Amino acid sequence: EPEVTQTPSHQVTQMGQEVILRCVPISNHLYFYWYRQILGQKVEFLVSFYNNEISEKSEIFDDQFSVERPDGSNFTLKIRSTKLEDSAMYFCASSESWANEQFFGPGTRLTVL
Amino acid sequence: AQSVTQPDIHITVSEGASLELRCNYSYGATPYLFWYVQSPGQGLQLLLKYFSGDTLVQGIKGFEAEFKRSQSSFNLRKPSVHWSDAAEYFCAALIQGAQKLVFGQGTRLTINP
Repeated sequence: EPEVTQTPSHQVTQMGQEVILRCVPISNHLYFYWYRQILGQKVEFLVSFYNNEISEKSEIFDDQFSVERPDGSNFTLKIRSTKLEDSAMYFCASSESWANEQFFGPGTRLTVL
Repeated sequence: AQSVTQPDIHITVSEGASLELRCNYSYGATPYLFWYVQSPGQGLQLLLKYFSGDTLVQGIKGFEAEFKRSQSSFNLRKPSVHWSDAAEYFCAALIQGAQKLVFGQGTRLTINP
């Protein structure tokens, strides 16, 4: 069964450093998403991406964040200068259309020291 | 404000007992509704979804949910829980035309042997 994959599973970084979280969505899906879950809190939407551009983003997704689909398979989330409060589990998801089920990856746990 | 509420943060039931997890939404129009399950260290797996039609929907692992428009609810049920059902359960809503899932706080389910 096709699945969304994410790498790395755990990333530890120093405050102020750049990180890139990687995702490989399901191959025939057209919509891609990033969510995050701070420990003990709810899963929050960050951004959706369709047709090589951001289609929707939340207030959390400020200028420090960017997304890219550099080739036909990867979907990345970059945090330019990490802050302590960026520590969270980051989930990638993909769907065939906006109205379909979103399939989630296993997540990347980001720890900012 | 548009939101999804799961009133119960933590529920404990005995193995073999029935289960009901509550979910309420607050939106002007009926959203698409989902239940996801997250086992420790895992991603989010879809249990079931409601878009329209029959208000009682069946999902995987023996779960079902009932949509009640009058109560703005989408409660998850299982007639007899198994120890392997211990996990975190998230209710989520998708507004038609939007591209982001809005999640509830989650309910952690513990199963007593």
